[in-house]
Amino acid sequence: QVQLVESGGGVVQPGRSLRISCAASGFNFSSDNMHWVRQAPGKGLEWVAVISHDGRYKYYADSVKGRFIISRDNSKNTLYLQMSSLRPEDTAVYSCARDYWSDGGNWFDPWGQGTLVTVSS
Amino acid sequence: SYELTQPPSVSVSPGQTARITCSGDALPKQYAYWYKQKAGQAPVVVIYKDTERPSGIPERFSGSTSGTTVTLTISGAQAEDEADYYCQSADISGTYRVFGGGTKLTVL
Repeated sequence: QVQLVESGGGVVQPGRSLRISCAASGFNFSSDNMHWVRQAPGKGLEWVAVISHDGRYKYYADSVKGRFIISRDNSKNTLYLQMSSLRPEDTAVYSCARDYWSDGGNWFDPWGQGTLVTVSS
Repeated sequence: SYELTQPPSVSVSPGQTARITCSGDALPKQYAYWYKQKAGQAPVVVIYKDTERPSGIPERFSGSTSGTTVTLTISGAQAEDEADYYCQSADISGTYRVFGGGTKLTVL
C-alpha cells in the first residue's frame, strides 16, 4: 500500500543542524511532487516546503526560507529536509506528504506519521 | 504572507448541523480542501475542490463556497466527528500552500 515513513528526528541544540528523511513505498515516487508539513505541540498544521517530482523546483514557507533545504533521491524513493540554524520555534512533528492529483484538484495524501524534532539546549 | 482564517472552536449537540468557515482573499481563485485530524493521527481529506467528497467519506460532510469564504458543513454531527478540522488552499500564484489555524469541533 501507499506509505510514507519519516525518520531522523531528535533533540538538537539551537543553532545546530539536522536532516530528516521520508521513505516512500507503494507508488511511483519519481512522478509526484512531495511536501513537508509540520505541527508544533498542541498547535495547527504549517506547510513547510514542496519539491517537484524531478527536484528542479523547490519552494519554502517564509518561516524556514534560507534555513531549510528540501531535496529528494528518486533512486532511493526518499525525501529529505536539511534543517539549519534551528530555533526553539522549529520544534514540531515533521510529516512528509505526497501531492496527490485527482479529478482536477490536488491535495496532501497520504501523510506519514511524522518525526519529532525538538530544539532545546 | 497569505493567511486563512478559521474559528478556533465549534460546538454542537449530536444530530445537529456543524458549520466551520474558512476565509481567505485568494479563495475565489484557488480551491479549498478540508482535513479532519484526530489526536495522534495523520490528517485525512474530507472535502476537495471546495465541494467534492472523496469516496469513503460520509454523505453528511459537504462543502460550499461564497466569495472569499468556504464552509465545511457536517449535517447530523456524530460523536466520531469530534476532531480538529483544517482548511487548506494556496496563495494566488498557486505555488505556496497554506493551512487555516484549525477548528476544534466538539460534539456533546
